[in-house]
Amino acid sequence: EADIYQTPRYLVIGTGKKITLECSQTMGHDKMYWYQQDPGMELHLIHYSYGVNSTEKGDLSSESTVSRIRTEHFPLTLESARPSHTSQYLCASSEFGDGYNEQFFGPGTRLTVL
Amino acid sequence: GENVEQHPSTLSVQEGDSAVIKCTYSDSASNYFPWYKQELGKGPQLIIDIRSNVGEKKDQRIAVTLNKTAKHFSLHITETQPEDSAVYFCAASIDYGQNFVFGPGTRLSVLP
Repeated sequence: EADIYQTPRYLVIGTGKKITLECSQTMGHDKMYWYQQDPGMELHLIHYSYGVNSTEKGDLSSESTVSRIRTEHFPLTLESARPSHTSQYLCASSEFGDGYNEQFFGPGTRLTVL
Repeated sequence: GENVEQHPSTLSVQEGDSAVIKCTYSDSASNYFPWYKQELGKGPQLIIDIRSNVGEKKDQRIAVTLNKTAKHFSLHITETQPEDSAVYFCAASIDYGQNFVFGPGTRLSVLP
């Protein structure tokens, strides 16, 4: 069982609200990721980080922002939520370095913006 | 950049039958190919992986084969059980798993 946690698991909010999705891991992994998973199942990488103070944009453009102040914590923020942001958000982490590295996923946050 | 295709998108099999999911990748430099299983309400979890220097790997009822020449790899599940019902993702990496490109997923249903 992976030690990576996401809160909240489910969130329903109104348009225009600012929200932060939390992700934390206790494995000491340097690399962390945020994926957006659409209803068609496909996983889209939206942000990743190599370590503290590192943030990079992923393959899919996103209006969200991330920060990495501590190794174990990688929150995702939407300044003004819109219905188009309704989706499942998955956080993952992995070691960073030589060798083959498994990505460990959290349980996800299902966001609904009304 | 890397592109990973996955087929079929949905698959239904009778309990006890075998299931096969196929993926193709575009970048011949890819060297690591994991398979993830996502159960309802959970995040994906690694179930098996294969490296580019290996042609086949087996772990109990699941096996993965890799054909580097044709740039495709497949997941085989034998003696399927209801708990195998899930969404399965293949992925390819050119840097030993530092970054993946995932396939679009296959929803497997095992019918009792």
